[in-house]
Amino acid sequence: SQQGEEDPQALSIQEGENATMNCSYKTSINNLQWYRQNSGRGLVHLILIRSNEREKHSGRLRVTLDTSKKSSSLLITASRAADTASYFCATDGVSGTYKYIFGTGTRLKVLA
Amino acid sequence: EAGVAQSPRYKIIEKRQSVAFWCNPISGHATLYWYQQILGQGPKLLIQFQNNGVVDDSQLPKDRFSAERLKGVDSTLKIQPAKLEDSAVYLCASSRTNQPQHFGDGTRLSIL
Repeated sequence: SQQGEEDPQALSIQEGENATMNCSYKTSINNLQWYRQNSGRGLVHLILIRSNEREKHSGRLRVTLDTSKKSSSLLITASRAADTASYFCATDGVSGTYKYIFGTGTRLKVLA
Repeated sequence: EAGVAQSPRYKIIEKRQSVAFWCNPISGHATLYWYQQILGQGPKLLIQFQNNGVVDDSQLPKDRFSAERLKGVDSTLKIQPAKLEDSAVYLCASSRTNQPQHFGDGTRLSIL
């Protein structure tokens, strides 16, 4: 079963604009991660945010987490054509098995 | 460090045939995952190993899928017999315990 649901399913923007993707999940978590997947490739880890954190930055990426709403957002600032990819959130449970469940993904297209 | 290696990259078989996929994780990574990713969806965990022991195989269709991780390093995933709905990309990932996962580029399986 899918734990996370990303929104929107697809997003198309112009280069230089900001892209925001949202993830909602159903059960309590320890950590939430965001991954990127380029076409025909494996997933690449972008950022991990723990349940006691509210915001995290990494370069042009900003992730927020609202555990009361069971949601997270990924903001990519000043997007580039190379950011074109699918983005997935992944959540773990509190059972301590380090098992992550991936969402359905947002397909981002950045137009040059 | 070398990444997660998977082979083959592509495989085409007829239904009811058997197929095997191989994964070589990053050296020192105790946790190894196999995922199934159907086109347009997020990865679905099939099985998770911690060293050579199974942590979670709740979503592995055990009547046709099997996996092993001998000596806690390389792993193989087998499907026997294959069904049309098994057409997907099979991703292997590895990680240090409770650290972000590193993914291989996957094996794209087509069932005719």
